[in-house]
Amino acid sequence: AQSVTQPDIHITVSEGASLELRCNYSYGATPYLFWYVQSPGQGLQLLLKYFSGDTLVQGIKGFEAEFKRSQSSFNLRKPSVHWSDAAEYFCAVALNKLVFGAGTILRVKS
Amino acid sequence: EPEVTQTPSHQVTQMGQEVILRCVPISNHLYFYWYRQILGQKVEFLVSFYNNEISEKSEIFDDQFSVERPDGSNFTLKIRSTKLEDSAMYFCASSDGLAGSWNEQFFGPGTRLTVL
Repeated sequence: AQSVTQPDIHITVSEGASLELRCNYSYGATPYLFWYVQSPGQGLQLLLKYFSGDTLVQGIKGFEAEFKRSQSSFNLRKPSVHWSDAAEYFCAVALNKLVFGAGTILRVKS
Repeated sequence: EPEVTQTPSHQVTQMGQEVILRCVPISNHLYFYWYRQILGQKVEFLVSFYNNEISEKSEIFDDQFSVERPDGSNFTLKIRSTKLEDSAMYFCASSDGLAGSWNEQFFGPGTRLTVL
């Protein structure tokens, strides 16, 4: 069955430090891949998506993600984290519906 | 910017009662979805809806659940007889194409359902 794994439940980084959130998927072909962010009490906002082509995709808020077929990964990165980035981040695969990972809670310390 | 809206933001109900969660999708979208997120768990797909019928549903979406598009703007999720384990955040989403294609799903802010 298709699945999405986010191995880190919580991550804490210092403001200004770089960030990488991991995502691995299990699927027979290359799926459509997404990263969503959920701030407390808010809905899910799309950060970026990958369909095909350039494996490094740019998103909103300075985020980027790199698709690596050989590793079945789609890790999210940001070179310099801001305190407002504190939220929960979800990786998802689109297969007529979205299949989400369990999420990674990002804490930013000043 | 158009957005998906949901009402109410928080619903408290007694076990066994019926609840209706309401959503107003983005006006030119054709595909509608419900997802739920039990506290501390992942977001799970419940159902997708297109052309006035269910396109796909998960095993969670049993006979206690139903969806309806009663008019040109609303999309509702009904739980006929709520159970304690139905307590969750319910998200509505809409898109102008299938999620299995390139089309983005836009999510509402969610309705937190608490079953006592």
